[in-house]
Amino acid sequence: AQSVTQLGSHVSVSEGALVLLRCNYSSSVPPYLFWYVQYPNQGLQLLLKYTTGATLVKGINGFEAEFKKSETSFHLTKPSAHMSDAAEYFCAVSDANQAGTALIFGKGTTLSVSS
Amino acid sequence: GAVVSQHPSWVICKSGTSVKIECRSLDFQATTMFWYRQFPKQSLMLMATSNEGSKATYEQGVEKDKFLINHASLTLSTLTVTSAHPEDSSFYICSARGSTGNQPQHFGDGTRLSIL
Repeated sequence: AQSVTQLGSHVSVSEGALVLLRCNYSSSVPPYLFWYVQYPNQGLQLLLKYTTGATLVKGINGFEAEFKKSETSFHLTKPSAHMSDAAEYFCAVSDANQAGTALIFGKGTTLSVSS
Repeated sequence: GAVVSQHPSWVICKSGTSVKIECRSLDFQATTMFWYRQFPKQSLMLMATSNEGSKATYEQGVEKDKFLINHASLTLSTLTVTSAHPEDSSFYICSARGSTGNQPQHFGDGTRLSIL
């Protein structure tokens, strides 16, 4: 079975500061890993994904994440936070060997950005 | 990019009524659609997986007769909450993906269901 753990349900940073949202996964098979962002009362928007190849993945809005198999981690970072980054962030995993399987989500991390 | 449209975005209805939520893939063929439920301040919980032309696969604990899912075409899936009660109030989100290997899921904007 697969699972995702997001450390820290709430992260607060100042505008311009580094953003680090942590995600660890558990999977007995090669994983596909995703980060999604959700604004209030909206669906999820894909920030970035890791499937195969380069372990450092760049996404939209200046976010990036690095797949570290040895640490079973896929932490999301952004060098400089912007007020518009305040939202809920979800890390998710799916089974790379079974295309079409559902995503397993972490519990989410609320990012607050102060001026 | 791929777009998934979900309708309605918000619905309020009386207890005992049935509510249908539509999920459409606008610019791609969605061989698989997923339905999730999200409670306030919580993560998304998968309710069911539906593949076009076949019966949906429900997750454990999800009542099939309560949450009817139809995926009759490659661009449309519907979720009908039958005889809805206040405890069914939630945020329901659909997602869709195409047929090729590592296609990501594209999410609709969700439907907020409030049962009075």
